Amino acid sequence: TQLLEQSPQFLSIQEGENLTVYCNSSSVFSSLQWYRQEPGEGPVLLVTVVTGGEVKKLKRLTFQFGDARKDSSLHITAAQPGDTGLYLCAGFRNNAGNMLTFGGGTRLMVKP
Amino acid sequence: DAGITQSPRHKVTETGTPVTLRCHQTENHRYMYWYRQDPGHGLRLIHYSYGVKDTDKGEVSDGYSVSRSKTEDFLLTLESATSSQTSVYFCAIMANPGNEQYFGPGTRLTVT
Repeated sequence: TQLLEQSPQFLSIQEGENLTVYCNSSSVFSSLQWYRQEPGEGPVLLVTVVTGGEVKKLKRLTFQFGDARKDSSLHITAAQPGDTGLYLCAGFRNNAGNMLTFGGGTRLMVKP
Repeated sequence: DAGITQSPRHKVTETGTPVTLRCHQTENHRYMYWYRQDPGHGLRLIHYSYGVKDTDKGEVSDGYSVSRSKTEDFLLTLESATSSQTSVYFCAIMANPGNEQYFGPGTRLTVT
């Protein structure tokens, strides 16, 4: 069982649809990050959320940190084929050394 | 661009042979990390370093060793490669404790 559970693991949608990806844990994180990874490349940081209840927007992507800082969500509005990729959440805990804990990832495919 | 390079980018080796992967950074960051990425497991931490000659184990360190003799280089060694170590290996840096991580392009290792 992973410390950070992401759902769904796979998502295939049509261009223009909305979607939400979830990242859940029973542990509290001091910050949580979202990354996107394309085939053959390393993960690229999208956003960091640090305050419970915080909402950040990045164009059509909306990120939310849960009030208790145990979970997060990523919502994409009007998905486009360019959004296709692997989305990873990662949490940082103050009492766990300088290490990030990664979720298993959500693989998104947006069909034109 | 966090100035992280990995070498080699691809390697095929035989079971039982030693393998060393290199991570090089150009921005003098203190913290460096080695991860492996496998389907269904996301990113798992192998070892990390918090300074020259200062390293510690991660979640999946068995069969791996690391060395950091210079700030800019972090080496990952498989003393005797096994087929279970076939994976994609990513190096990452963290600018400061609690900050985001930035990843290299990855090394695809196949052990036959």
